[in-house]
Amino acid sequence: NAGVMQNPRHLVRRRGQEARLRCSPMKGHSHVYWYRQLPEEGLKFMVYLQKENIIDESGMPKERFSAEFPKEGPSILRIQQVVRGDSAAYFCASSPPGLAAAGYTFGSGTRLTVV
Amino acid sequence: SQQGEEDPQALSIQEGENATMNCSYKTSINNLQWYRQNSGRGLVHLILIRSNEREKHSGRLRVTLDTSKKSSSLLITASRAADTASYFCATASVSMNSGGYQKVTFGTGTKLQVIP
Repeated sequence: NAGVMQNPRHLVRRRGQEARLRCSPMKGHSHVYWYRQLPEEGLKFMVYLQKENIIDESGMPKERFSAEFPKEGPSILRIQQVVRGDSAAYFCASSPPGLAAAGYTFGSGTRLTVV
Repeated sequence: SQQGEEDPQALSIQEGENATMNCSYKTSINNLQWYRQNSGRGLVHLILIRSNEREKHSGRLRVTLDTSKKSSSLLITASRAADTASYFCATASVSMNSGGYQKVTFGTGTKLQVIP
């Protein structure tokens, strides 16, 4: 039973390009959470999704960032027109329905570097 | 905004010693969780303590929770070099957004170094 899979592990983008980060939750988990971690800092909540629904996007920047979790396939975090300040580690976590607060399972993260 | 603040920010101890990390939070919680993050990796869930519990053990880990002081501590006994990592507390609270789901918010972390 594979854990939470994130890809790519490392992503380098030039300023102005688009970044697409993918997250496949654990089998049986239908809730996905995205967090961003700046160097030497804690994790900051970005968005919480269920299949085909955004439940809480209060941590998402208003512009350039979007997230989806389609009926089929992984959850995607999309950053358009990246800037240097977007460089960070982006972590995805998943949980089964009804047990969100029992503890998350995290992926290994995608480290985005904007040059 | 961050809910939890860990103290100290960094801790360096000799192998075999005990390590204590503290976490303070601001709002009422449903539970509090501790996670470990090895350098360059994702977070691993260690232990969860509910708001009506005061102490919990798991192997060499001991967690306490004082809801009146809005604080928790994580004690790692007989530390090993492999315990070197960052440790984060996370609180689960009812979110004001989107139907009141249990939102998990992470603290700023304590970086632990165990010297062999």
